[in-house]
Amino acid sequence: QKEVEQDPGPLSVPEGAIVSLNCTYSNSAFQYFMWYRQYSRKGPELLMYTYSSGNKEDGRFTAQVDKSSKYISLFIRDSQPSDSATYLCAMKGGSNYKLTFGKGTLLTVNP
Amino acid sequence: DTAVSQTPKYLVTQMGNDKSIKCEQNLGHDTMYWYKQDSKKFLKIMFSYNNKELIINETVPNRFSPKSPDKAHLNLHINSLELGDSAVYFCASSQVGPRRTSGSGNEQYFGPGTRLTVT
Repeated sequence: QKEVEQDPGPLSVPEGAIVSLNCTYSNSAFQYFMWYRQYSRKGPELLMYTYSSGNKEDGRFTAQVDKSSKYISLFIRDSQPSDSATYLCAMKGGSNYKLTFGKGTLLTVNP
Repeated sequence: DTAVSQTPKYLVTQMGNDKSIKCEQNLGHDTMYWYKQDSKKFLKIMFSYNNKELIINETVPNRFSPKSPDKAHLNLHINSLELGDSAVYFCASSQVGPRRTSGSGNEQYFGPGTRLTVT
């Protein structure tokens, strides 16, 4: 089992939809969870960062961590065409001090 | 102001050549990283330096040699380039070292990438 699993998509939604992006992981020691957005031919841009469990909200973005299920989510409300990008989850913790990335989910928001 | 910058943005070279990629961060961070992103978009860490000290060195061929003249700079030198080295290389930085186990500062900020093509 890979340490971090992320559905690569592609995911296509209409403008205004609520988008749910998810990752599962196997290492129970992970405690730092990040979401990055990567536009085509650009560097990953940090969107959200959470430590341990719980929710965090920033504008249209909400990050959720469920450590009991080893499952993290990123919700995008009122999605916009400018949200079209690849979304990468990343996490670290415990003896695994390297940031481990998912393979990314390609999202397209259609106007 | 660019937080993490890399040069060059594109690099096309022939097999067997030696090339360098430069990275600079103006965030005042203590730790810098090099990542490789392959054609399938998978990001994998190569090296990490904390205050000019090498702390992560993944199973990368020794043709790749990172150099950190100071904590704001981390350069990557690649000898005897091979076709398989073609990828996008990203530099990143974080406030604290990767072994920090509590608190904030673990989040990493990435540069724009260097697209290396070996022909």
